[in-house]
Amino acid sequence: EDQVTQSPEALRLQEGESSSLNCSYTVSGLRGLFWYRQDPGKGPEFLFTLYSAGEEKEKERLKATLTKKESFLHITAPKPEDSATYLCAVQAAYGGSQGNLIFGKGTKLSVKP
Amino acid sequence: KAGVTQTPRYLIKTRGQQVTLSCSPISGHRSVSWYQQTPGQGLQFLFEYFSETQRNKGNFPGRFSGRQFSNSRSEMNVSTLELGDSALYLCASSSRDISSGNTIYFGEGSWLTVV
Repeated sequence: EDQVTQSPEALRLQEGESSSLNCSYTVSGLRGLFWYRQDPGKGPEFLFTLYSAGEEKEKERLKATLTKKESFLHITAPKPEDSATYLCAVQAAYGGSQGNLIFGKGTKLSVKP
Repeated sequence: KAGVTQTPRYLIKTRGQQVTLSCSPISGHRSVSWYQQTPGQGLQFLFEYFSETQRNKGNFPGRFSGRQFSNSRSEMNVSTLELGDSALYLCASSSRDISSGNTIYFGEGSWLTVV
């Protein structure tokens, strides 16, 4: 069964304290792995798509990496405005869930000044 | 460039009623998918439409249905509402069939409360 597990469920950081969020997945052939940011009461905001192991993408203080079994979202010197829930999703290439996004439960990040 | 637009943003319905939610995708996007988000289950896939055809359907009862129009706008309908249908309903669009792995953008969602 295709599934995505994110850890930790919640993470509290001090401003400037770098850390990483983990997304491990089991999927019938990976077509793509997506990272989204979601603020309370809003829809998910697209951050990155990764397609193959070894791929890395960066945007401001965020860097996403991908291996064959997991992805990491590295946050360097975070600021309070980075506080949000970060969602990871995979898109399977085969099987019953082919095409749709399978989401993890998310990591709720809080950055204190 | 306008993003994915969903209406209404908030609504309250009574058990047993039905509801229709609307989604306008990003201009030029032909693929529209719908997701349900609840605190307990997270984001779950409902269905996907591409060029007016349902391409994929999630594990939801038949009370949940949808359609896509020739201008790519989409609607989803939930009949005989139950308390457990209270959720944030999210619409997402992409420029191609999402099974091709293209970037998928989400709207702000429609908050449905069933009382």
